[in-house]
Amino acid sequence: DAKTTQPPSMDCAEGRAANLPCNHSTISGNEYVYWYRQIHSQGPQYIIHGLKNNETNEMASLIITEDRKSSTLILPHATLRDTAVYYCIVRVATNAGKSTFGDGTTLTVKP
Amino acid sequence: NAGVTQTPKFRILKIGQSMTLQCTQDMNHNYMYWYRQDPGMGLKLIYYSVGAGITDKGEVPNGYNVSRSTTEDFPLRLELAAPSQTSVYFCASSAGVGYEQYFGPGTRLTVT
Repeated sequence: DAKTTQPPSMDCAEGRAANLPCNHSTISGNEYVYWYRQIHSQGPQYIIHGLKNNETNEMASLIITEDRKSSTLILPHATLRDTAVYYCIVRVATNAGKSTFGDGTTLTVKP
Repeated sequence: NAGVTQTPKFRILKIGQSMTLQCTQDMNHNYMYWYRQDPGMGLKLIYYSVGAGITDKGEVPNGYNVSRSTTEDFPLRLELAAPSQTSVYFCASSAGVGYEQYFGPGTRLTVT
């Protein structure tokens, strides 16, 4: 599986967009990018995933660069409840055994 | 639906003791997973299962065993507990290998 690199921490003002970067320069053609978040040591929560096209759902948008070597998770209007650790995971969608999370980015949304 | 439930929430073990962490899901998911999370770190996969009767090792399986006799249940067994197994344990399930994983609330285990 491709290794991911995320900044350890980021701050964001409440109501502004939060843009969380993830570098995955060794990604393979059949590897997907997944994003999860973990609030207050609860179980992680799925946010979004994609292969090469940009994706959007009710929680967030995922922008994947054309060369697929990096991606950005966008929370369009961050709230205090979005304060969490955000994990970017790259893995083949057909291999359940490759499912380890890295250390993630701690996002702090400030009033 | 309760989703994924785990018991117990907290447990303190003495070195050398054994215990079973319980995990149950009511979503009829074929895939189930066990992770551990050490303080300040990400989650590491211990074992996973792709259906009843089928299990396989993840990244850190040593010191653990699993079984999957039903679709709903995926217990994790710790034999001869060691301080290095002090961690928070999360169980998860998914409808398929590429689908989103649903996580339980975790079990906080301390081995002293």
